[in-house]
Amino acid sequence: NAGVTQTPKFRVLKTGQSMTLLCAQDMNHEYMYWYRQDPGMGLRLIHYSVGEGTTAKGEVPDGYNVSRLKKQNFLLGLESAAPSQTSVYFCASSYEAGGISYEQYFGPGTRLTVT
Amino acid sequence: LAKTTQPISMDSYEGQEVNITCSHNNIATNDYITWYQQFPSQGPRFIIQGYKTKVTNEVASLFIPADRKSSTLSLPRVSLSDTAVYYCLVGGNTNAGKSTFGDGTTLTVKP
Repeated sequence: NAGVTQTPKFRVLKTGQSMTLLCAQDMNHEYMYWYRQDPGMGLRLIHYSVGEGTTAKGEVPDGYNVSRLKKQNFLLGLESAAPSQTSVYFCASSYEAGGISYEQYFGPGTRLTVT
Repeated sequence: LAKTTQPISMDSYEGQEVNITCSHNNIATNDYITWYQQFPSQGPRFIIQGYKTKVTNEVASLFIPADRKSSTLSLPRVSLSDTAVYYCLVGGNTNAGKSTFGDGTTLTVKP
């Protein structure tokens, strides 16, 4: 049981380049999240998904797109990277049971630098 | 957004009890209160979650007053390895877009 994994761990992009970050979970969780964390700051929600085929905007969605074609995967795309998107990106997954929302399980993060 | 407010930093000594309070004045009826711990270069890790009153697990206790507008994470007998950033998150999966992490509390445990 690997939990939540993220690919890649590190990436350097030039301004204007595009890339996709992959998040995978093997816990059969319905809910998945993408956050970004800037140095010395808390996590800010970019996009989230409440199930396969569904996505929704979070607090800071501009410049990002997401897709959830399979329940276990949640992809985060940057179409035209900007230096302001330099950050650490965390993916998380969660579930509900008996009407209770349970905690989020986080991946190890992807450190992205845009030059 | 379900905004939260925590102290920026706290210092403690090994063996002491540490209490970190989070304010969340606009908590909604179906919101849960969840605390996470984060070490440098790692993703946050779950500590404890509650809805009301008191919850205790093997590592911490969570105190929630009746009005639920604040919560207090209690760490008994901290050690150097408890030095980390602690976040409270108010919300739940059904209203995920309305919940947010604050800037967290940096706890430094000294020998």
